[in-house]
Amino acid sequence: ETGVTQTPRHLVMGMTNKKSLKCEQHLGHNAMYWYKQSAKKPLELMFVYSLEERVENNSVPSRFSPECPNSSHLFLHLHTLQPEDSALYLCASSQDPSGPRAGELFFGEGSRLTVL
Amino acid sequence: QQPVQSPQAVILREGEDAVINCSSSKALYSVHWYRQKHGEAPVFLMILLKGGEQKGHDKISASFNEKKQQSSLYLTASQLSYSGTYFCGTITSGTYKYIFGTGTRLKVLA
Repeated sequence: ETGVTQTPRHLVMGMTNKKSLKCEQHLGHNAMYWYKQSAKKPLELMFVYSLEERVENNSVPSRFSPECPNSSHLFLHLHTLQPEDSALYLCASSQDPSGPRAGELFFGEGSRLTVL
Repeated sequence: QQPVQSPQAVILREGEDAVINCSSSKALYSVHWYRQKHGEAPVFLMILLKGGEQKGHDKISASFNEKKQQSSLYLTASQLSYSGTYFCGTITSGTYKYIFGTGTRLKVLA
């Protein structure tokens, strides 16, 4: 139990569907992150939120739309995805969104997405 | 650009030692190490904040050479529980862009 909860754990969707991934952190952290992890590839940063403000968009296609309504919740809205978007999507939080201690991330278990 | 880790994969017998290296093309101000076991989330191991700093966590330690822009993770007397993929991570100064290295898969055999 890391204090970061992601739902759903598994999701299968067609290319025309709209779905959302949810992340909730119970750690009182100020920053939240979305990462993508494809098979045999490194973790890829997607978005960073600091105090509910998006501070980083790492050139992510617009078919991925993040939302951070408060500092404890983070969503990733999915629309017209492609099969190559199939991956494990990991949410993380940290106390310090910048500076040297920003890297102390606490990860959720991930949402495994399959796009047919 | 992501830090590059070497080796990409290593297989050890229980009790053997291993070294994992992390090199960056950009200046490093801090380095972090994570371990991800199969089917689980990455777990934070340690942070190195200063050049030359060494840290330890049980029989896992790390060093950070700011001048060479690299960090090394040392696993001593490896245990079965050390198996997993190890990632280094770093943040570019003045940004919120926290990125991970290419990863090293470690397998410890009995």
